[in-house]
Amino acid sequence: NAGVTQTPKFRVLKTGQSMTLLCAQDMNHEYMYWYRQDPGMGLRLIHYSVGEGTTAKGEVPDGYNVSRLKKQNFLLGLESAAPSQTSVYFCASSYSRTSSADTQYFGPGTRLTVL
Amino acid sequence: AQKVTQAQTEISVVEKEDVTLDCVYETRDTTYYLFWYKQPPSGELVFLIRRNSFDEQNEISGRYSWNFQKSTSSFNFTITASQVVDSAVYFCALNGVDGANSKLTFGKGITLSVRP
Repeated sequence: NAGVTQTPKFRVLKTGQSMTLLCAQDMNHEYMYWYRQDPGMGLRLIHYSVGEGTTAKGEVPDGYNVSRLKKQNFLLGLESAAPSQTSVYFCASSYSRTSSADTQYFGPGTRLTVL
Repeated sequence: AQKVTQAQTEISVVEKEDVTLDCVYETRDTTYYLFWYKQPPSGELVFLIRRNSFDEQNEISGRYSWNFQKSTSSFNFTITASQVVDSAVYFCALNGVDGANSKLTFGKGITLSVRP
């Protein structure tokens, strides 16, 4: 049981390049999330998905797109990377999102540097 | 709007000392959950505990204990007899309900360094 996995672990991009981060979970969770973590800022929600084929914006969605074509996968895309997107990106999943009892389980993170 | 404040940014202790990490929250919800996560130097986020707003019993798990006080809106985390392996960033988080969905709000984290 791998839980939540993320690919890649590290990536360096040049300004203007594009890339996709992949998140996969094997817990059959309905809900998936993408966060970014910046020094002194805690974790901030970028986008989330309430199920296959549905996505929604979080707190800081600008510059990112997401897709959830399969229940177990949640992709985060950067179409034109900017230095402000240098961050550590975490994917998480939970059984549901309609209850405040639900626990989110996190992946190991992807460290992205945009030069 | 909900908010989580972790006023301590960095704490340094010597091994075997006890240390308490503070967490204060704000919410208008009557039903909510509080969480602690640990982020060791390896970078992953590890879920430690979840506590609901109706349960003010303290919880102890080995060297870890949590004190939830609704009257002061606090959910503090104590590590007894700290060890070097406890060195990490610790996040407190609040899960309330925002419309039809829950919303998880994190504090900014406390960096704990345990020196041998």
